[in-house]
Amino acid sequence: GQNIDQPTEMTATEGAIVQINCTYQTSGFNGLFWYQQHAGEAPTFLSYNVLDGLEEKGRFSSFLSRSKGYSYLLLKELQMKDSASYLCAVRDQAAGNKLTFGGGTRVLVKP
Amino acid sequence: DTGVSQNPRHKITKRGQNVTFRCDPISEHNRLYWYRQTLGQGPEFLTYFQNEAQLEKSRLLSDRFSAERPKGSFSTLEIQRTEQGDSAMYLCASSFRGDSREQYFGPGTRLTVT
Repeated sequence: GQNIDQPTEMTATEGAIVQINCTYQTSGFNGLFWYQQHAGEAPTFLSYNVLDGLEEKGRFSSFLSRSKGYSYLLLKELQMKDSASYLCAVRDQAAGNKLTFGGGTRVLVKP
Repeated sequence: DTGVSQNPRHKITKRGQNVTFRCDPISEHNRLYWYRQTLGQGPEFLTYFQNEAQLEKSRLLSDRFSAERPKGSFSTLEIQRTEQGDSAMYLCASSFRGDSREQYFGPGTRLTVT
């Protein structure tokens, strides 16, 4: 089976940096994804890691350590529009590449 | 718009009624996934298709749920004898086999069972 843990909620100030951690246990790891989801909307893709290390994309970066079963999403220069839920998801190659999601981390950006 | 589309966007039904949702994936995508998401939780996998073949079903998918993808294009998800516990957002996603990256999600169908 698979188990994915991430904090439920985080609060940060506009312009600051927030790091969202995700730990996972999986049998057929084939990549870790981060999605952003605004309330009432579909998840939208942010980042993808399949090898260890840091992937940077603008204000967002994602890190993966496969040996530790650990990832984080780093959001820099926070903007009010970044207030959303951030979903960590692991892809299982043994099951058609389905995604198993964590419960999501709700980030609230305050002025 | 060439993204994933879902219809209807909202559905309110009375307990015991049957409902059917439709998903139209991105046209060249041969994999189609259904997920269910309840408030404050991440999406949970229900089932997936490769072309018209349904290759996996979650234990969450009771015998009241059935999904089809008859021609390998659009898919339908039917829930028979709905229960209040079925109230959730039903998300469809598609991907192209061999693509190492993302699944593209549709806007979802929000089901409310009263």
